[in-house]
Amino acid sequence: RKEVEQDPGPFNVPEGATVAFNCTYSNSASQSFFWYRQDCRKEPKLLMSVYSSGNEDGRFTAQLNRASQYISLLIRDSKLSDSATYLCVVDTGRRALTFGSGTRLQVQP
Amino acid sequence: EPEVTQTPSHQVTQMGQEVILRCVPISNHLYFYWYRQILGQKVEFLVSFYNNEISEKSEIFDDQFSVERPDGSNFTLKIRSTKLEDSAMYFCASSEQGRDYEQYFGPGTRLTVT
Repeated sequence: RKEVEQDPGPFNVPEGATVAFNCTYSNSASQSFFWYRQDCRKEPKLLMSVYSSGNEDGRFTAQLNRASQYISLLIRDSKLSDSATYLCVVDTGRRALTFGSGTRLQVQP
Repeated sequence: EPEVTQTPSHQVTQMGQEVILRCVPISNHLYFYWYRQILGQKVEFLVSFYNNEISEKSEIFDDQFSVERPDGSNFTLKIRSTKLEDSAMYFCASSEQGRDYEQYFGPGTRLTVT
């Protein structure tokens, strides 16, 4: 079983749409959770940390379900600039991030 | 906004040669990392470094790899004898004390081994 599993997509959505990505992780000892975004051939950029209580940053909302070992990211009112690959990332507290393979989002005009 | 920087952006080397990849972490950060991403694959952890020593390393980080903080600003990754399968994008990252779980990545060095 993959350590961090994501649907590779692509998700093709029109501008203004709401889109949700899911991710599952296998290591129950995972302590920290993140969403990063990666543009083609660029570095991963930290989008947001994910907390058990859920957190929101503008149009982005992240949720964590520790019991189900499941993380989600919701993007509202999609913009063209949101087109990227979204990486689900976990850490067991060793500061050695484990990355998923990413979900590709393409927002269309 | 402070950024992690890396040089060179692209390095081409022949199999068996030694390469050194350089990184300047964000200035007040105390934790440093190297990751790699083979084309079309996911990002993989190589090594973390804190207080002048390796904190964690993955099974990828074998005896061919080493890291060093030669001065107060640079952080380097050395590959002693490169192999074709070392061709990848190498990302340096850093994080600060107190928020060390949030890692910020540099733009990467594309290493091509021929």
